[in-house]
Amino acid sequence: EAAVTQSPRSKVAVTGGKVTLSCHQTNNHDYMYWYRQDTGHGLRLIHYSYVADSTEKGDIPDGYKASRPSQENFSLILELASLSQTAVYFCASSDWGAQNTLYFGAGTRLSVL
Amino acid sequence: GDSVTQTEGLVTLTKGLPVMLNCTYQTTYSPFPFWYVQHLNEAPKLLLKSSTDNKRTEHQGFYATLHKSSSSFHLQKSSVQLSDSALYFCALSDPGSFNKLTFGAGTRLAVCP
Repeated sequence: EAAVTQSPRSKVAVTGGKVTLSCHQTNNHDYMYWYRQDTGHGLRLIHYSYVADSTEKGDIPDGYKASRPSQENFSLILELASLSQTAVYFCASSDWGAQNTLYFGAGTRLSVL
Repeated sequence: GDSVTQTEGLVTLTKGLPVMLNCTYQTTYSPFPFWYVQHLNEAPKLLLKSSTDNKRTEHQGFYATLHKSSSSFHLQKSSVQLSDSALYFCALSDPGSFNKLTFGAGTRLAVCP
């Protein structure tokens, strides 16, 4: 079973503060993703990466940065956290090739107060 | 861009009854649809996927058939169990873009004794 580990599992942040969510995968997968889950919206793609040291914008990148320093690690950074960024965040990884399965981490529940 | 529509937000059923969760999609590419299941406080996990028109795909008692003519990939099960209570997401993969998934809003299935 593929392994994607997220930290922290939950976090409370203050408005305007900086938040970093971390993701580590041991699957040797090339592709990694950050999704956000809100009730009624399913999961929406924030950023993704197909190779180390490179990141790409997803569908809702505003207010978020990403960093992929190695194949195994992928971080999501909120430089100035806002109330609207309260959500559950999922990291995922996938092998290269069409229609490969995304393996998700357990999620990080972020509350911005 | 791609879009996925799940018409039911909540489906409540008694154990042992059949279920069908609707999924339709819009894409300009050859469709690669998925069903993911998310149990409470867990990560989304792949349930099944398909790329072959009019071929039934099955896993863990659930099945779905891709119908390109109607742009649909409905999820069915003949007899639901209490353990099937979960959030079900239909998703579409863009085959030319690093396996990024576009998710529907999700359907919550609640199975009662």
